[in-house]
Amino acid sequence: GNSVTQMEGPVTLSEEAFLTINCTYTATGYPSLFWYVQYPGEGLQLLLKATKADDKGSNKGFEATYRKETTSFHLEKGSVQVSDSAVYFCAPYLGGSQGNLIFGKGTKLSVKP
Amino acid sequence: EAGVVQSPRYKIIEKKQPVAFWCNPISGHNTLYWYRQNLGQGPELLIRYENEEAVDDSQLPKDRFSAERLKGVDSTLKIQPAELGDSAVYLCASSPPPRLSTYEQYFGPGTRLTVT
Repeated sequence: GNSVTQMEGPVTLSEEAFLTINCTYTATGYPSLFWYVQYPGEGLQLLLKATKADDKGSNKGFEATYRKETTSFHLEKGSVQVSDSAVYFCAPYLGGSQGNLIFGKGTKLSVKP
Repeated sequence: EAGVVQSPRYKIIEKKQPVAFWCNPISGHNTLYWYRQNLGQGPELLIRYENEEAVDDSQLPKDRFSAERLKGVDSTLKIQPAELGDSAVYLCASSPPPRLSTYEQYFGPGTRLTVT
């Protein structure tokens, strides 16, 4: 069946450290891929997306590349800030009759000054 | 442009009581979703509407949950009667027609339900 696996958290980093959050998925076909972010007490916000193989999504210094061969969409940021502390969700979009996002369990990131 | 609006933001009820959540999607978004997010988990789809039609309600516990979107705009999700295990955040999301987007969804702030 369709599923997504994210790196388990929590992840604690110092400010300006490099961030990687791994995400792999199983799905039929080639789904569009999304990363959403949830700041404390808020709803989910779209962070970035990629719709086909080798596409790189980017926003706010975050990047993720659609890797068809490894069915992965790892999130990276070169230098994290305290304001990046949040929960990050990887979510492939399953089209067709399903038309839904499948969310991972989320990875909580805490950035210390 | 206004985002997805949900109310109430918080609700505390006793078990066996009914509760209802309301959602107004972004204008022009014909697809509306209700998700449930348990603590420490990702959102899980309950129901998806295309205009006023529920096209995927396979994960909706129909013995106690119901939803409607009568005019294809705003929507109501109801639980009756509520159980302790229903405590969660209920999220509403909407998306524009596929011809205008790449399937991203826009989420409201959610309703945090506590059943005591």
